[in-house]
Amino acid sequence: AQRVTQPEKLLSVFKGAPVELKCNYSYSGSPELFWYVQYSRQRLQLLLRHISRESIKGFTADLNKGETSFHLKKPFAQEEDSAMYYCALKGQGAQKLVFGQGTRLTINP
Amino acid sequence: GAVVSQHPSWVICKSGTSVKIECRSLDFQATTMFWYRQFPKQSLMLMATSNEGSKATYEQGVEKDKFLINHASLTLSTLTVTSAHPEDSSFYICSARLAGGPGLHEQFFGPGTRLTVL
Repeated sequence: AQRVTQPEKLLSVFKGAPVELKCNYSYSGSPELFWYVQYSRQRLQLLLRHISRESIKGFTADLNKGETSFHLKKPFAQEEDSAMYYCALKGQGAQKLVFGQGTRLTINP
Repeated sequence: GAVVSQHPSWVICKSGTSVKIECRSLDFQATTMFWYRQFPKQSLMLMATSNEGSKATYEQGVEKDKFLINHASLTLSTLTVTSAHPEDSSFYICSARLAGGPGLHEQFFGPGTRLTVL
């Protein structure tokens, strides 16, 4: 079965501090992993995907197959990073995404 | 970027009536659209996957006769909540996937529709 776990419902850090949002997954094959973000009163949008190996808005995420994790990291948090973050998984050959429960990130000034 | 719209953005209806929600891809063609349901402070739960010109694939536990999905064209999918009841009140979100191209695996999300059944 496919499952995505985000253990932290809420995460609060100060501006300028490092931030890490945890994501663990359960899948027997080779998954595709994504991070989606939802800013206040806005729609869900893609932040980054593991196959692109890119950094978006200073965020990076590395797929660790040994630990089945895809944690999202940013070295210096900004106030505009405050949002809801969802980790999502797509199985091999699948169309649908399986979402984690989400983590609400709050950056304090 | 690719834009997905939903109409209406919110709707209030009486118990027993049916409500139709539209999902449109505005500037791209989408062979596949997805319908999600989101309860307050909870994650998105996939209800069904809709492929243009074919029947929708429903997730386990989702009543296909209650949540009718029609994907008649490459830019439009509709979700009809039939004989709505208060427990159907929720936030319904659609997404659309590009039919080919560099964003092949990316889903673009609509703004959602808030349904309240009295």
